[in-house]
Amino acid sequence: SQQGEEDPQALSIQEGENATMNCSYKTSINNLQWYRQNSGRGLVHLILIRSNEREKHSGRLRVTLDTSKKSSSLLITASRAADTASYFCATNEKGSGNTGKLIFGQGTTLQVKP
Amino acid sequence: GAGVSQSPSNKVTEKGKDVELRCDPISGHTALYWYRQRLGQGLEFLIYFQGNSAPDKSGLPSDRFSAERTGESVSTLTIQRTQQEDSAVYLCASSLWSGGSYEQYFGPGTRLTVT
Repeated sequence: SQQGEEDPQALSIQEGENATMNCSYKTSINNLQWYRQNSGRGLVHLILIRSNEREKHSGRLRVTLDTSKKSSSLLITASRAADTASYFCATNEKGSGNTGKLIFGQGTTLQVKP
Repeated sequence: GAGVSQSPSNKVTEKGKDVELRCDPISGHTALYWYRQRLGQGLEFLIYFQGNSAPDKSGLPSDRFSAERTGESVSTLTIQRTQQEDSAVYLCASSLWSGGSYEQYFGPGTRLTVT
């Protein structure tokens, strides 16, 4: 079953602009992760934010987590054409038996135009 | 070092036939996961292996699906009597340790087409 719902489903921006993607989920989580998928490199882990964290940065990526609203956002600053890909949020649910099992959202397709 | 590898990269099979998909995880990774991704969709969890513990099979969609793992190495996902709705990309991932605190490294996937 899919837990995450991502918004928007598709996003098209110009190079240099910022891109924001949102993810909502339904259950209590241990952590939330963002992954990027493109045809060239497959699925790649971007960043992990734990349930007791509110914000995390990695290079041009900024992730926020609001557990009261069960939502997260991924901000990509100063986008590049190479950022064109699909972005997925994935949650590790509490009560998942201390496994790494992830529940993925449907993804946001980002197109960055040069 | 070598990443997660999967074989075959593409598989076309006739409805009703059995297929076997292979995953070689990163050496030393104790946790291994199988996911399925239908066209334009997110990933669906299928099964998880961690060391010698009993696998978590909660995501397997039917008893036609099964998976095995030899120790902490190769895993095979078997789909018996394939149906057209089994057509998807099957992705394998491994991580250093379970519990969700370590990132999962994904293989390139096997694209399965059932005709």
